[in-house]
Amino acid sequence: GNSVTQMEGPVTLSEEAFLTINCTYTATGYPSLFWYVQYPGEGLQLLLKATKADDKGSNKGFEATYRKETTSFHLEKGSVQVSDSAVYFCALGGANAGKSTFGDGTTLTVKP
Amino acid sequence: DVKVTQSSRYLVKRTGEKVFLECVQDMDHENMFWYRQDPGLGLRLIYFSYDVKMKEKGDIPEGYSVSREKKERFSLILESASTNQTSMYLCASSSPGRANEQFFGPGTRLTVL
Repeated sequence: GNSVTQMEGPVTLSEEAFLTINCTYTATGYPSLFWYVQYPGEGLQLLLKATKADDKGSNKGFEATYRKETTSFHLEKGSVQVSDSAVYFCALGGANAGKSTFGDGTTLTVKP
Repeated sequence: DVKVTQSSRYLVKRTGEKVFLECVQDMDHENMFWYRQDPGLGLRLIYFSYDVKMKEKGDIPEGYSVSREKKERFSLILESASTNQTSMYLCASSSPGRANEQFFGPGTRLTVL
């Protein structure tokens, strides 16, 4: 079945540091890939997505590239801000009634 | 702006009570989901629905039931609440037309005393 393995947290960075959160997946077929972000006290919201191999998703300075050869979708940002502190979830889009597979989430704390 | 709303942000109930959590989406999405989120356990799927009156069990359906009488509304029911059901409950919806991206509600933090 499908699975997502996400870098364990928590991750603590100083403001303006470079961020990478690793995500690898196992899937049949060619699913869409997503990064969701959850700010404290809120639900998840889509951060970025990629629907086919070699696609790059980007939003708010975050980027991730759909790498079929390494089955990866790592999240990167060149310079993090305190406001980026949140929990980040990598996910596979599902073909079965849209049922997605989520990673366990990585908590990011950015200190001034 | 697309939206998923949940009936309560915070809820406190007593052990043994019947609890209803309501979720409404305004995007005409086919699929709807209920998750619970607990520290260290990530998101766990309770039930999902791919059409009106259709439902399927997720990974942890025990102690829960669901109802989908209208396309826009998906209800989670705790038949007899127990303290181990204290959790954050998240509702989501999706459509195949948008690569099954999931849209989440703000969550309901349920405490069972």
